[in-house]
Amino acid sequence: GQNIDQPTEMTATEGAIVQINCTYQTSGFNGLFWYQQHAGEAPTFLSYNVLDGLEEKGRFSSFLSRSKGYSYLLLKELQMKDSASYLCAPLGVGGYNKLIFGAGTRLAVHP
Amino acid sequence: DSGVTQTPKHLITATGQRVTLRCSPRSGDLSVYWYQQSLDQGLQFLIQYYNGEERAKGNILERFSAQQFPDLHSELNLSSLELGDSALYFCASSVGSGNTDTQYFGPGTRLTVL
Repeated sequence: GQNIDQPTEMTATEGAIVQINCTYQTSGFNGLFWYQQHAGEAPTFLSYNVLDGLEEKGRFSSFLSRSKGYSYLLLKELQMKDSASYLCAPLGVGGYNKLIFGAGTRLAVHP
Repeated sequence: DSGVTQTPKHLITATGQRVTLRCSPRSGDLSVYWYQQSLDQGLQFLIQYYNGEERAKGNILERFSAQQFPDLHSELNLSSLELGDSALYFCASSVGSGNTDTQYFGPGTRLTVL
């Protein structure tokens, strides 16, 4: 989606912490989803933020600032299996009932 | 396993042909969504059905059509296929019709048009 910005690629080391940023522009806002997608596989749901602040779920946390049109996904204690694309999908960009995904950030975790 | 099933897993066909992709939503989900993901492209929303009725439409080509049946399974029909239609086609389902509902994705159908 042209109104969603994420870095194209990131690399990190096993055991480290990485933050994947997403900025968006939307008319109307109903929250923001993060999905993980391994190459050739289905996207899987990670988190949904509708209020400002940080939501923690195990090794993954997601932050939202509605006033800034900004979110990030924080991955801690990185594992090799975290190598995947991470898709940001704010609601409101495409209109009601349309979940519009960003192009995704491809994360490579190295030993 | 999300509980969403899609068949077939792979499909190889020729230009000009027509194919049908099938999706069964998770038990209890009333909405079905279709997405296209071309190589190195993001997920592109095609269309949504809720309880048998079309609910939202994305950039779906006129050559493509979909429907949702009374048992809630859905089919995506792609006709007059072109090389550029080669992609992964995902189906997702959610409980309700609202866009705040979490969508759960099926494993996808990989379509190759030769």
